Amino acid sequence: DQQVKQNSPSLSVQEGRISILNCDYTNSMFDYFLWYKKYPAEGPTFLISISSIKDKNEDGRFTVFLNKSAKHLSLHIVPSQPGDSAVYFCAASSLSMEYGNKLVFGAGTILRVKS
Amino acid sequence: DTGVSQDPRHKITKRGQNVTFRCDPISEHNRLYWYRQTLGQGPEFLTYFQNEAQLEKSRLLSDRFSAERPKGSFSTLEIQRTEQGDSAMYLCASSLGVTREKLFFGSGTQLSVL
Repeated sequence: DQQVKQNSPSLSVQEGRISILNCDYTNSMFDYFLWYKKYPAEGPTFLISISSIKDKNEDGRFTVFLNKSAKHLSLHIVPSQPGDSAVYFCAASSLSMEYGNKLVFGAGTILRVKS
Repeated sequence: DTGVSQDPRHKITKRGQNVTFRCDPISEHNRLYWYRQTLGQGPEFLTYFQNEAQLEKSRLLSDRFSAERPKGSFSTLEIQRTEQGDSAMYLCASSLGVTREKLFFGSGTQLSVL
């Protein structure tokens, strides 16, 4: 039962163009969402987050959009750079007792930015 | 470097052997998490500590797995009688322990059970 889904295993984008990574969730109890980036042989590093009271959060080249009615979020990277090539994980959390303080992760999307 | 450190980075063992991993969190962080990641999947929650207290354990954590965090500092994760299905990346993360926080991950320990 995957509660956080990243349906695109990989994405290839030309340098300078926009990268759009998508994430869907099934549990309406989730109310806080994060994106992590992971390079090979390293642990995931935090990229950007969004609370369910917002529909957009921006940090430099990275913007996360949240559509609560569709239970969908997306990460936009503009402009994409070769150093952005990594695995991107979407994660969700909830204040409910059932989820405590843990994050539920999607399976990840491999982003390749071609120069 | 004051990030989360994990030791060893790689561990190869034979089926049936016991293994122990160590995690040193960021010093001022009072929450510590263990996650497991297999190929093609995202990290899956195993357990977490608030200081020295283990507050939650996943159903994934069978009775062969035990985690400790004595004195609320470093943590160890032990797997007894390893099985081939235990082969995975074991990730440790720490956090300050406030609501709506982000986790800081270590580089993980890659376990291969032959």
